[in-house]
Amino acid sequence: QVQLQESGPGVVKPSETLSLTCTVTGGSISSYYWTWIRQSPGKGLEWIAYTSKIGSTKYNPSLKSRVTISLDPSRNQFLLNLTSVTAADTAVYYCAKSTSYSFDPWGPGTLVTVSS
Amino acid sequence: DIQMTQSPSSLSASVGDKVTITCRASQIIDNYLNWYQHEPGKAPKLLIYSASTLRAGVPSRFSGSGSGTHFTLTISSLQPEDFATYYCQQSKDTLALTFGGGTKVDIK
Repeated sequence: QVQLQESGPGVVKPSETLSLTCTVTGGSISSYYWTWIRQSPGKGLEWIAYTSKIGSTKYNPSLKSRVTISLDPSRNQFLLNLTSVTAADTAVYYCAKSTSYSFDPWGPGTLVTVSS
Repeated sequence: DIQMTQSPSSLSASVGDKVTITCRASQIIDNYLNWYQHEPGKAPKLLIYSASTLRAGVPSRFSGSGSGTHFTLTISSLQPEDFATYYCQQSKDTLALTFGGGTKVDIK
């Protein structure tokens, strides 16, 4: 069965770029859709973006100008880049497999803190 | 964006209780509604998709209903492992997927 694991720096400085990797095991990255979701402290869940091998990529309109999601099939990974981060981007970031725009399964999440 | 409003935002219940959580959409979303369970420190889990279809492996005490703008998640007999936060999510607008604010279920 598919399993996901997020990785990346735990702290990012304001105005810099947040880069995260999601490693997929038990299934090919070339199948399905893949998505990033975040949860800011004390708040609910926010969908960030999704992509697939066939190139259908969509971004949350509120983040679209700062976000890039991409696939690395050679490593069976997909990536998130979020530019010009501020304290508002402090959150637990989750990666997930998407089927018919529901999310299952999810990775355990990784906390990213924006701080100087 | 389609706004998803859950109620209540929190509730206290006892083991064995029947629990009902409501999710309302700001516009008609047919049955494009999914429910998740989120325990602190763990990955969220999909419980129900397409408003009423139970994900494989999810206990049958969980059920979902509704269509259009009004949806409910029901736990027929609350178990100790069910104390968590529950989220609805609409998948009607695939360019702007959105979640409800969550309902925290804790022990009375």
